[in-house]
Amino acid sequence: LAKTTQPISMDSYEGQEVNITCSHNNIATNDYITWYQQFPSQGPRFIIQGYKTKVTNEVASLFIPADRKSSTLSLPRVSLSDTAVYYCLVGGNSGYALNFGKGTSLLVTP
Amino acid sequence: GAVVSQHPSWVICKSGTSVKIECRSLDFQATTMFWYRQFPKQSLMLMATSNEGSKATYEQGVEKDKFLINHASLTLSTLTVTSAHPEDSSFYICSARGRPGSSYNEQFFGPGTRLTVL
Repeated sequence: LAKTTQPISMDSYEGQEVNITCSHNNIATNDYITWYQQFPSQGPRFIIQGYKTKVTNEVASLFIPADRKSSTLSLPRVSLSDTAVYYCLVGGNSGYALNFGKGTSLLVTP
Repeated sequence: GAVVSQHPSWVICKSGTSVKIECRSLDFQATTMFWYRQFPKQSLMLMATSNEGSKATYEQGVEKDKFLINHASLTLSTLTVTSAHPEDSSFYICSARGRPGSSYNEQFFGPGTRLTVL
């Protein structure tokens, strides 16, 4: 299973763009990259998923370089409610469980 | 679509008793369900994987006789913590995956169940 590495924590002010980068050097050819958000005492919530290049939805963008050994989650104009832990995971389409790394704890302040 | 529910959302029990947690996929058929455990300020740790109609596969270090998993239907899986002890107090999260090739072929997570053992 591909191991992921992300910063343990990040701080941001409201209204700023936040970019969280994740390293996954041994990603497999058929692995997708998925990001989840988790608030305290809640289950993880799906944010975005991609395979290569760029994916954008209503809440975030995901940038994946050609070698797919890393990915960057971009949150435009964060608000206080974006304070949460963000997990980067690879895999997911093989039927095996997603394995969570330590995640990035994002703190957004006024 | 793709809603996964858990019941109860929280439970308090006495040491030595058993507790059952239900996980349901409300609008899709979950051929595979996963159970995770999360301790405070830690990440989710996979406990077991269950396929409908089959015995669950447990991760290393997880006692299968203590954490009984039943996946009797395509919409319901249960986790029973037997003879619970205070160290079993944790946040239990299930997730469900639909059939390969379907639009539900990814993991959808439930809201979690907070277990406190006194």
